[in-house]
Amino acid sequence: EVQLVESGGGLIQPGGSLRLSCAASGFTVSTNYMSWVRQTPGKGLEWVSFIYPDGTIYYADSVKGRFSVSWDNSKNTLYLQMNSLRAEDTAVYYCARSTYTYAYESWGQGSLVTVSS
Amino acid sequence: QSALTQPASVSGSPGQSITISCTGTSSDVGGYNYVSWYQQHPGKAPKLLIYGVSNRPSGVSNRFSGSKSDNMASLTISGLQAEDEGDYYCTSYISSGTQVFGSGTKVTVL
Repeated sequence: EVQLVESGGGLIQPGGSLRLSCAASGFTVSTNYMSWVRQTPGKGLEWVSFIYPDGTIYYADSVKGRFSVSWDNSKNTLYLQMNSLRAEDTAVYYCARSTYTYAYESWGQGSLVTVSS
Repeated sequence: QSALTQPASVSGSPGQSITISCTGTSSDVGGYNYVSWYQQHPGKAPKLLIYGVSNRPSGVSNRFSGSKSDNMASLTISGLQAEDEGDYYCTSYISSGTQVFGSGTKVTVL
């Protein structure tokens, strides 16, 4: 069974950094399409990043240069490193197993990141 | 990367059919057959309903169907049920790995 579990969220001051983890089971992160999606409280979904199995990574303009994705094969875990955080980055962050058709077929439970002083 | 346009809300009575539109441009919805649809209940993660414009994943009810014409994609829910209440989002591939979500539609079962 495919399962994704995010962790690492919390309250962080503007300008700070945070790393989210997405532990996967039932499949191998490094050989699959993966994505990060976020949802502002009470609002809609926003695409953040897409990772191809060959390691190519794309980012939304809103996070480019501040966020970066990596993974640890030994832990079968995907990471989202978030730097220079802003109030507008406050959201629930989801990792998702994706497909070659750019669909998000399995989702984690989400991790809340709150950027506030 | 402007959000795709969806109606803010759609409602229907049990048993009826409703259609949610998702309007983009020739650079996203109209340019690729990579439109997918998601259902989200309060406090829950989204669930994939449709991928590749009109394909249903295993386990998704055949009451959900997708289509596309030019720059507009549509999700139809037939035989509306109380459990269909929730938020619905479309998404489309744009280019070079980038994607965009729709603004979201709240479905109410009267």
